[in-house]
Amino acid sequence: AQKITQTQPGMFVQEKEAVTLDCTYDTSDQSYGLFWYKQPSSGEMIFLIYQGSYDEQNATEGRYSLNFQKARKSANLVISASQLGDSAMYFCAMRDDTGRRALTFGSGTRLQVQP
Amino acid sequence: DTEVTQTPKHLVMGMTNKKSLKCEQHMGHRAMYWYKQKAKKPPELMFVYSYEKLSINESVPSRFSPECPNSSLLNLHLHALQPEDSALYLCASSHRGVGDEKLFFGSGTQLSVL
Repeated sequence: AQKITQTQPGMFVQEKEAVTLDCTYDTSDQSYGLFWYKQPSSGEMIFLIYQGSYDEQNATEGRYSLNFQKARKSANLVISASQLGDSAMYFCAMRDDTGRRALTFGSGTRLQVQP
Repeated sequence: DTEVTQTPKHLVMGMTNKKSLKCEQHMGHRAMYWYKQKAKKPPELMFVYSYEKLSINESVPSRFSPECPNSSLLNLHLHALQPEDSALYLCASSHRGVGDEKLFFGSGTQLSVL
């Protein structure tokens, strides 16, 4: 069974600074995908970034990068130059490519960006 | 158009009512999902439809009945719900439901059962 762990219930960061949100996972599958989603107070889940288990390079999407350490089973999200609009709930999620192929989410981290 | 549209945005219903949640996408996606999210919790998968066929049912109680009339539409029929079913119900879609495809989510229906 898959498991996603986010150990930081809440984080604060100053505007324009970088922040790292932690995510560890556990799976026996060799092929899987890791995702980060942002959920503002409006409720919509917004896709941020994806990392495949066979990708050798860390994924980047604009100000978002994923620090993928396969041996340690971690997939931390790094947000550079934080903006006030980054304040939201952030979920790490995993999809296994061999079984259910549905996303399993971690418990989330609430990020608050301070001016 | 990269939107998943959910209606209604808010719904209040009694335990004896029958209501339906609607989800629509026009991105040509062939996989559609229902997730349930309780306050301050992560979304939990309920159902997955792939090519209009139910492929995953996460042991959801029968008072929740999904329906996929065509590739663009996904409904969730509600009957005899309990107060503990109050939650945000999120619909999502993806191209074919495989590998690296991201899920596109709607804004959800906030359901309150009285």
